[in-house]
Amino acid sequence: DTEVTQTPKHLVMGMTNKKSLKCEQHMGHRAMYWYKQKAKKPPELMFVYSYEKLSINESVPSRFSPECPNSSLLNLHLHALQPEDSALYLCASSQNHNGELFFGEGSRLTVL
Amino acid sequence: SQQGEEDPQALSIQEGENATMNCSYKTSINNLQWYRQNSGRGLVHLILIRSNEREKHSGRLRVTLDTSKKSSSLLITASRAADTASYFCATDGSGTYKYIFGTGTRLKVLA
Repeated sequence: DTEVTQTPKHLVMGMTNKKSLKCEQHMGHRAMYWYKQKAKKPPELMFVYSYEKLSINESVPSRFSPECPNSSLLNLHLHALQPEDSALYLCASSQNHNGELFFGEGSRLTVL
Repeated sequence: SQQGEEDPQALSIQEGENATMNCSYKTSINNLQWYRQNSGRGLVHLILIRSNEREKHSGRLRVTLDTSKKSSSLLITASRAADTASYFCATDGSGTYKYIFGTGTRLKVLA
């Protein structure tokens, strides 16, 4: 199984809502990532978990809260988002820091 | 910003022609990777080249790396309409998990 599965594929939320994005991989990868991508821009790194511990936070606002419950799962909790947070949120995993990234198809988020 | 630059930003070619895109980066690296992204989809890994390699091939793809100039190029030979996508280089932040993507090249292959 070489898939990274992201749910939901689409999410619309208001600025006062609380929602979560979910990412799952069963490749035994020990690093998992969240990227944010705006239209016609490259993916921007948000968070990296290595061995289930947060190792990189790229100064992301606290309204985004990552969680890694186990080595296969990565969540991104969303609260009090702004319309400018509307984007494609991509999850990825890798075996180590020297290998390729495997991406999910993304969750397209719209904040009203 | 540590983000790499890619050029051209957009490229339009006829089927059968070759497409070349370039990537420049700012930090030292252990490896550099190229990814493809179809519109609004996830990224797909194409090829990885390590810092001690100068050239690598995979099917119709040829990647070069010049660490002295901090630059890389991706050549797609005999392009097909299905190659239409955005292409991104990514650097690994020299042994960290900090994969940073370049600005990307939007390739359109006309049938």
